[in-house]
Amino acid sequence: DAKTTQPTSMDCAEGRAANLPCNHSTISGNEYVYWYRQIHSQGPQYIIHGLKNNETNEMASLIITEDRKSSTLILPHATLRDTAVYYCIAMGRAAGNKLTFGGGTRVLVKP
Amino acid sequence: ETGVTQSPTHLIKTRGQQVTLRCSSQSGHNTVSWYQQALGQGPQFIFQYYREEENGRGNFPPRFSGLQFPNYSSELNVNALELDDSALYLCASSGVGQGALGYGYTFGSGTRLTVV
Repeated sequence: DAKTTQPTSMDCAEGRAANLPCNHSTISGNEYVYWYRQIHSQGPQYIIHGLKNNETNEMASLIITEDRKSSTLILPHATLRDTAVYYCIAMGRAAGNKLTFGGGTRVLVKP
Repeated sequence: ETGVTQSPTHLIKTRGQQVTLRCSSQSGHNTVSWYQQALGQGPQFIFQYYREEENGRGNFPPRFSGLQFPNYSSELNVNALELDDSALYLCASSGVGQGALGYGYTFGSGTRLTVV
């Protein structure tokens, strides 16, 4: 798996968009970018994934740069319930589909 | 609402004992993975089972073993417990088989194991 780098923590105002960056400069062509989040005392929750095109679902949007070396997860209207640790993972077939979690970004949504 | 349930939710064992943790996956999910999450760290991959056979293993000793059953349930067994085995153990399942891409995993809420 390609190594990913994320900021350790960030704060966000409730109701505003939260933009979470992730660097994956060594990503290979067949590796997807996955985002998971883990709310306190729960298991990780799948958010979204993408290969090279931008993706959007009911939870978030994923913007992947053209060179695929970085991506941004966007929570369009952050709520207090979005407070969690967010993990960016690059995963491909060689990894056997195992998820390699780094330290993630601890996001605190403030009123 | 998660489709993966784990039991028990909490467990205290003594060093040297053996423990079995259980996971019930979503129907149709033929791939299950187990992760260990120490306090303050991200989950670490232990192993993965596909159609009842282990098909991937992380950097964990042989005293960590597992089973997957036809009814989409699975077990994680740990022998000769050590204090450092204290952690949250997470089970994750996917409906996509080995080598497939493009789908996320569904995690359970975990079993918190404390070894004293």
